[in-house]
Amino acid sequence: NAGVMQNPRHLVRRRGQEARLRCSPMKGHSHVYWYRQLPEEGLKFMVYLQKENIIDESGMPKERFSAEFPKEGPSILRIQQVVRGDSAAYFCASSLDRTHQETQYFGPGTRLLVL
Amino acid sequence: AQTVTQSQPEMSVQEAETVTLSCTYDTSESDYYLFWYKQPPSRQMILVIRQEAYKQQNATENRFSVNFQKAAKSFSLKISDSQLGDAAMYFCAYRAIQGGSEKLVFGKGTKLTVNP
Repeated sequence: NAGVMQNPRHLVRRRGQEARLRCSPMKGHSHVYWYRQLPEEGLKFMVYLQKENIIDESGMPKERFSAEFPKEGPSILRIQQVVRGDSAAYFCASSLDRTHQETQYFGPGTRLLVL
Repeated sequence: AQTVTQSQPEMSVQEAETVTLSCTYDTSESDYYLFWYKQPPSRQMILVIRQEAYKQQNATENRFSVNFQKAAKSFSLKISDSQLGDAAMYFCAYRAIQGGSEKLVFGKGTKLTVNP
């Protein structure tokens, strides 16, 4: 049973470009979470999605960032007009459902570097 | 808002010895979950152990155990018989049960070095 998959693993963008990060949850999981880890910091929650729904986006910047989890295909975290401060590791996690018993399983992360 | 504090940026331990990593948290909730995650140099986040706040008994997973003090809002991780493969960043995390969001709130981490 494959774990959470993220691609690309490394992404380099120049300032002003767009970054698209993909996350395929574990098989059977319908809940996806995105977290950001700045250098020397812990992970910070960004957004929580179910299929076709955003449940909680309280941690996501209001501008330039968006996320989706379509009925078919991976979840996408999109960052428009990237700036140097967006350089970070972005982790995706998935869970089976939203009950509190469910553990979140993490992917390997995408390291975004903005030049 | 809930916060998680790890007061030890770095710790070191001799191989085969025991080490304890500290974590405190702040919440007004009475029921919640607490976790310890390990992040080795590969940066993959690996769940080490979890504790349900309503359970009196401290969780254990092989060489890993916790000391959960609910009144003190303390959740320390004890690693026994430390191995070289235990070297990693360790993050303490909190998750509310009420309120609808299942987000994890992380501390800033403790870097554990294991000396041979």
